[in-house]
Amino acid sequence: TQLLEQSPQFLSIQEGENLTVYCNSSSVFSSLQWYRQEPGEGPVLLVTVVTGGEVKKLKRLTFQFGDARKDSSLHITAAQPGDTGLYLCAGFQTGANNLFFGTGTRLTVIP
Amino acid sequence: NAGVTQTPKFRVLKTGQSMTLLCAQDMNHEYMYWYRQDPGMGLRLIHYSVGEGTTAKGEVPDGYNVSRLKKQNFLLGLESAAPSQTSVYFCASRELAASYNEQFFGPGTRLTVL
Repeated sequence: TQLLEQSPQFLSIQEGENLTVYCNSSSVFSSLQWYRQEPGEGPVLLVTVVTGGEVKKLKRLTFQFGDARKDSSLHITAAQPGDTGLYLCAGFQTGANNLFFGTGTRLTVIP
Repeated sequence: NAGVTQTPKFRVLKTGQSMTLLCAQDMNHEYMYWYRQDPGMGLRLIHYSVGEGTTAKGEVPDGYNVSRLKKQNFLLGLESAAPSQTSVYFCASRELAASYNEQFFGPGTRLTVL
């Protein structure tokens, strides 16, 4: 059962453009994480959002947790080639021993 | 401090062969996980361990076995490999006190079963 759906699945943009990636679910999560994975490597944690409506900024990346804690978005301003990678959202439910990962968005930023 | 390491990095098997993937972490983490990653499906949990000597099934455990004899190591075994097990395998760990299950991943093992 896939609890988290990400859109779009693929995204190819020019350097300098803005983009938004979405992570949606019908389930409520106590927290939502975003990871970035580069080719040939494992995912690396970018951020954790824990409060409904929370917004966190990491340089040019802005993460938002939905008010109902069922969805999240990642916005990148002025994308750079170094942003290229697979972005994964992951939800955590209180009492669970594992994370539920989204389907992933593969971003390519063209110089 | 190497973090999470995985061996081997690549492997090609024939159908029916067996192999063991090794994951090691030097962060003294209690929890360890094995995932598989297939195109368009994100990461799916195979098995996990909440401490030395314990293991539990995840979302897709069939065809795999695991062991956690030492706290720092988590082994994933394939007794009789099948082409459907062609995938990239990731190991991850987290500390007991991680509030929101933040995980640290290894670099992955790319397995092809012919």
